[in-house]
Amino acid sequence: GIQVEQSPPDLILQEGANSTLRCNFSDSVNNLQWFHQNPWGQLINLFYIPSGTKQNGRLSATTVATERYSLLYISSSQTTDSGVYFCAVFPGNQFYFGTGTSLTVIP
Amino acid sequence: NAGVTQTPKFRVLKTGQSMTLLCAQDMNHEYMYWYRQDPGMGLRLIHYSVGEGTTAKGEVPDGYNVSRLKKQNFLLGLESAAPSQTSVYFCASSYALVGYEQYFGPGTRLTVT
Repeated sequence: GIQVEQSPPDLILQEGANSTLRCNFSDSVNNLQWFHQNPWGQLINLFYIPSGTKQNGRLSATTVATERYSLLYISSSQTTDSGVYFCAVFPGNQFYFGTGTSLTVIP
Repeated sequence: NAGVTQTPKFRVLKTGQSMTLLCAQDMNHEYMYWYRQDPGMGLRLIHYSVGEGTTAKGEVPDGYNVSRLKKQNFLLGLESAAPSQTSVYFCASSYALVGYEQYFGPGTRLTVT
């Protein structure tokens, strides 16, 4: 199956700081999504972004499909951003998730 | 809209027992999925369905069966539970495989002793 690698695995930020999370994938994909899993376990869609750039408030994402990576930018981080961020890809048959980046934002 | 709901939220089974997890969605989505999440790992796809009456295997299907008798419901069955099936199970749904987001339920925490 396709390999999905996320970096960094863990990240600790001071409130107000910016960060970039990376997702590398080993094959062409038709679908790429970013999710946030909050400390209570709920998974929330952030972006559907197989290519290009999208922005939603303090979050933005860019996928360069030809180079097989996606970036999630978090600006002016808040404590509510804490949790695990996953990317998931769909190469044509099923979904594969990365192992996530665990983000802790401290006040 | 309730979105995606899962029943039950928690369950403890003994090895060899059987159970069924229920997922329901009210968004009229064609596609539904069952995932498992183990500690420190991402989600792994167990089975999915592309429409009423159709199912397909995911990455880790062994030990599980599924059924999609109604469009809004997707059932995950464990016929003979094993400790290796201790996990958190998530259901999700989407309008299509490509071009649309997946929406997740709150999860079911299953422990097999």
